Amino acid sequence: QVQLVQSGAEVKKPGASVKVSCKASGYTFTSYDINWVRQATGQGLEWMGWMNPNSGNTGYAQKFQGRVTMTRNTSISTAYMELSSLRSEDTAVYYCAREDTGLGMDVWGQGTTVTVSS
Amino acid sequence: EIVLTQSPGTLSLSPGERATLSCRASQSVSSSYLAWYQQKPGQAPRLLIYGASSRATGIPDRFSGSGSGTDFTLTISRLEPEDFAVYYCQQYGSPFGPGTKVDIK
Repeated sequence: QVQLVQSGAEVKKPGASVKVSCKASGYTFTSYDINWVRQATGQGLEWMGWMNPNSGNTGYAQKFQGRVTMTRNTSISTAYMELSSLRSEDTAVYYCAREDTGLGMDVWGQGTTVTVSS
Repeated sequence: EIVLTQSPGTLSLSPGERATLSCRASQSVSSSYLAWYQQKPGQAPRLLIYGASSRATGIPDRFSGSGSGTDFTLTISRLEPEDFAVYYCQQYGSPFGPGTKVDIK
């Protein structure tokens, strides 16, 4: 079945970086964009950006430009999201989600909890 | 960057009632790229509507979307108990709206 499986929970100190992985299975990885979305406890959904796994092209939300990097390894059908210069406000659940360009995010990962604390 | 606003913030209704949720964009957007999502506590979001009016796979026909330009609407014709949740709109490649919570009156 089509699924996205994310890496496990992370605890980081302020100023550090975190890299979350998202492994795709059940479909052709390079045929769908991967979006990254985060959600702090009790807050709304925050779109971080997208990546085209075929070309490697990316588009980042203005809020995260300069601090987020989205990459992929097509040989293992895995997308990555790295967020640097972490602060406490980055504590959230991070989701990856696939999208057939412009047709909505139809498959979501299970979420990865990132906690930033000194 | 397009900014989406949603209203109302909270909608208190009873099962069987009709829910009408609004999503307004800061500038005209392509209706082809407007999506609606449902999220329940502790779960990942679920795609309901894409292209402003097309239901995603497996979505019941009590959910419908409409609109164009800057104004879009999600309608739930008759609320079922499982429909009480938070609903978000999003334009492709842009931030989500702040969400509308539909709770039980």
